[in-house]
Amino acid sequence: DAGVIQSPRHEVTEMGQEVTLRCKPISGHDYLFWYRQTMMRGLELLIYFNNNVPIDDSGMPEDRFSAKMPNASFSTLKIQPSEPRDSAVYFCASSWTDYGYTFGSGTRLTVV
Amino acid sequence: SQQGEEDPQALSIQEGENATMNCSYKTSINNLQWYRQNSGRGLVHLILIRSNEREKHSGRLRVTLDTSKKSSSLLITASRAADTASYFCATTTSGTYKYIFGTGTRLKVLA
Repeated sequence: DAGVIQSPRHEVTEMGQEVTLRCKPISGHDYLFWYRQTMMRGLELLIYFNNNVPIDDSGMPEDRFSAKMPNASFSTLKIQPSEPRDSAVYFCASSWTDYGYTFGSGTRLTVV
Repeated sequence: SQQGEEDPQALSIQEGENATMNCSYKTSINNLQWYRQNSGRGLVHLILIRSNEREKHSGRLRVTLDTSKKSSSLLITASRAADTASYFCATTTSGTYKYIFGTGTRLKVLA
């Protein structure tokens, strides 16, 4: 298995632009999580899905953020419009039940 | 919000020495996990310990859990330069599968 695959690895965009981050979880995993990591705030859980259904989106910072999981093998996190304070590393992780997460390599987002 | 806080924030030891990191949390937990993150990489799952367990081992790793003190420790024995990384604890509470991560301990193992 190739693990959790995220794309792109790096994204530089201008303030106000739409950004879409993509994630392919491990086949057979029934949970998918989106985290954001910054030096100031550490690792923050944004949203998680179970069997493609959003369960808890209380960590999504504001309406500019949205996440979807149209099927078991794909999820997106969208930021529209992007702002400089959204600059961070965004991680996707998947798991089977409550066992350990497998994290992707992350997307480093820079909003200028 | 962060549930766990690791202590110390940073730790520097010589190769071959043991490294101990502690995690304290605020509310009752269901499970606690430890992860490692190498610079610029994603997190790697190390070990899971459930609330009814007190100790677990995996290779050179030993994890203990004291629910009465709301704390856990991760011991890495005979450390190697390759163990240099940040280590995070993550906890989940009953009825949810979401893990909240702590602030992390940066470990540096000097060759």
